[in-house]
Amino acid sequence: EDQVTQSPEALRLQEGESSSLNCSYTVSGLRGLFWYRQDPGKGPEFLFTLYSAGEEKEKERLKATLTKKESFLHITAPKPEDSATYLCAVQGGSEKLVFGKGTKLTVNP
Amino acid sequence: SQTIHQWPATLVQPVGSPLSLECTVEGTSNPNLYWYRQAAGRGLQLLFYSVGIGQISSEVPQNLSASRPQDRQFILSSKKLLLSDSGFYLCATTGGMYEQYFGPGTRLTVT
Repeated sequence: EDQVTQSPEALRLQEGESSSLNCSYTVSGLRGLFWYRQDPGKGPEFLFTLYSAGEEKEKERLKATLTKKESFLHITAPKPEDSATYLCAVQGGSEKLVFGKGTKLTVNP
Repeated sequence: SQTIHQWPATLVQPVGSPLSLECTVEGTSNPNLYWYRQAAGRGLQLLFYSVGIGQISSEVPQNLSASRPQDRQFILSSKKLLLSDSGFYLCATTGGMYEQYFGPGTRLTVT
């Protein structure tokens, strides 16, 4: 059974304080690992897809990396507007996305 | 690009009442469509998915059902709501390379 575990559950940072979010996964036949951002009361917003170990993707202050067992979402010099819940999901041979519970990020000014 | 519409945005219903949530997609044809539920403290749970009109696959045995009467319309229903049906319901469709895109969601509170 495909599984995704995200840590920490919650993270508080000061503006400009860089950090990383972790997504550990087990999947049979990885098709893709996905990162989403979700603001309160809204649907998840797609950020990145990573397909194979060693791959990296960047968008503004966010950088996602992938190994065979985990993915990291690095946040460089975060701003208050980066506050959100970040979701990780994997897709294996079943073609269905399996989501983690998310990391709630708060960036204080 | 595709756009997903969901309504209503919020809904408060008593236990035992019926439910109908609607999702429509613009900007694509013959999309794969998904219904998810997001409950407090839990991850996104896949409820149903559909690869075409009239084709519905159920992931979790429950009090809910889904239908797809038109190519870009997906409906989530219940005959009698339970307290445990409360949650944030999300409709999604696939993009070009396995990723899924989500609608704005419907917040359902069963009282």
